[in-house]
Amino acid sequence: GAVVSQHPSWVICKSGTSVKIECRSLDFQATTMFWYRQFPKQSLMLMATSNEGSKATYEQGVEKDKFLINHASLTLSTLTVTSAHPEDSSFYICSAASTGVGSTEAFFGQGTRLTVV
Amino acid sequence: AQTVTQSQPEMSVQEAETVTLSCTYDTSENNYYLFWYKQPPSRQMILVIRQEAYKQQNATENRFSVNFQKAAKSFSLKISDSQLGDTAMYFCAFFQGAQKLVFGQGTRLTINP
Repeated sequence: GAVVSQHPSWVICKSGTSVKIECRSLDFQATTMFWYRQFPKQSLMLMATSNEGSKATYEQGVEKDKFLINHASLTLSTLTVTSAHPEDSSFYICSAASTGVGSTEAFFGQGTRLTVV
Repeated sequence: AQTVTQSQPEMSVQEAETVTLSCTYDTSENNYYLFWYKQPPSRQMILVIRQEAYKQQNATENRFSVNFQKAAKSFSLKISDSQLGDTAMYFCAFFQGAQKLVFGQGTRLTINP
């Protein structure tokens, strides 16, 4: 299957700093990418949907000024957690969608464990 | 808004048994996709099986099969001849176009030796 690379796999940052997480589709063009947050033993909570070249669509309750999403190309989307605080500590996962008749599928990155201290 | 519901937080069966995980969803759309994903302790999401809503035939992938009831908005996963490696979190997901990929709450499945 297609490969989605998410980087970094883990990061520790100080409170008040910003952290950028990258999500790359390595062998296909992803017109749509999804960003999720997952708390321990819970499901994936959709934060936002991004389409290449346009602004991301954020889910209700997600602060778009805090979680900046950029989808500048068909193979790269980034999530920047601005002015991070300990409550932002979580596991973040990206997904890149490949759409087509009979081949629609979403591929996932390995996830990023963010710890804010 | 689309919602996905998995009503079984945890399930446990013996190795080689058959187990069925349930999933219901709510949508007003007619064309969409449904997925079952497996998340092992590594937390890497692994696609188990996919179903296109326009197809009446239930999808099968080796030991994994689904029972897709479009009118009832039900999408259950059956795992036959369960193996220890099937132990994981299982998520049902709804995908509609390039707009939404929404997950259910998950079912923690344990296969006992």
